[in-house]
Amino acid sequence: DAKTTQPPSMDCAEGRAANLPCNHSTISGNEYVYWYRQIHSQGPQYIIHGLKNNETNEMASLIITEDRKSSTLILPHATLRDTAVYYCIVRVDGSSNTGKLIFGQGTTLQVKP
Amino acid sequence: DAGITQSPRHKVTETGTPVTLRCHQTENHRYMYWYRQDPGHGLRLIHYSYGVKDTDKGEVSDGYSVSRSKTEDFLLTLESATSSQTSVYFCAISESLTRGSAFFGQGTRLTVV
Repeated sequence: DAKTTQPPSMDCAEGRAANLPCNHSTISGNEYVYWYRQIHSQGPQYIIHGLKNNETNEMASLIITEDRKSSTLILPHATLRDTAVYYCIVRVDGSSNTGKLIFGQGTTLQVKP
Repeated sequence: DAGITQSPRHKVTETGTPVTLRCHQTENHRYMYWYRQDPGHGLRLIHYSYGVKDTDKGEVSDGYSVSRSKTEDFLLTLESATSSQTSVYFCAISESLTRGSAFFGQGTRLTVV
C-alpha cells in the first residue's frame, strides 16, 4: 500500500472550515483514500473514503486531486468536538485478500474557541 | 455502533506471565485486526486476520501471537509479557475490502510491571 504524508498538527477556529491535507504521491490506480479520526483515547472512527471523485457525507467532504497524488479532508464548520487526530490512509480494495490496514502518524487538529 | 467488544478493558500483569486479550464481534465481519498505540507512535498493526484460521503479521508482531478459530473471536496472546508491551491495544473489524471502513473497539489498557 502507498504511504501517506500529513502535517503533524493544525489549528482551526471554531465555526470555520478545517482543511486537512494528505500527500499520497505513490498511490496506485486501485487504491482508495480513507480518513479516520481518533478523539482522545477512544478507538479510531471512520469518516469518509474515495477513489477518484470527490465525496461528501454528513461528517465531511473529501477532495481528491485529478492526479490522485493528494487529497484534502474538509470539516465545513469545525466544532470543539472535532479536536482529534486525523489519519489519512490508502488501501487496496477488492484485489487483495489480506486487507492489511496501516495507519501513519496522522494530523492533530486543535479546534480553538 | 458496530458490535465489537474487547476484554479485559484494563489489565496489570507481571513481566514473564502470559496474557491473552480477546476481541469479540457480533457483525460477522471477515477481517479483524489488532493494533497497539503508544505515545509518539500512533497506531501500529500487530496481526490481522482475513478469515477463520487465516492470519498474518503486521508491523510489530514480535512477541505476539494470534488465533481465530471462529469468525467472532480474535485472540491476541503475549506469550511472556515484557514492560515494552505496556500499551493500549485496539481491535478492529472490517466487513469486506469493497466496503472499506473499519470499526474499532474501545481499547484495552495493558500494564506490564
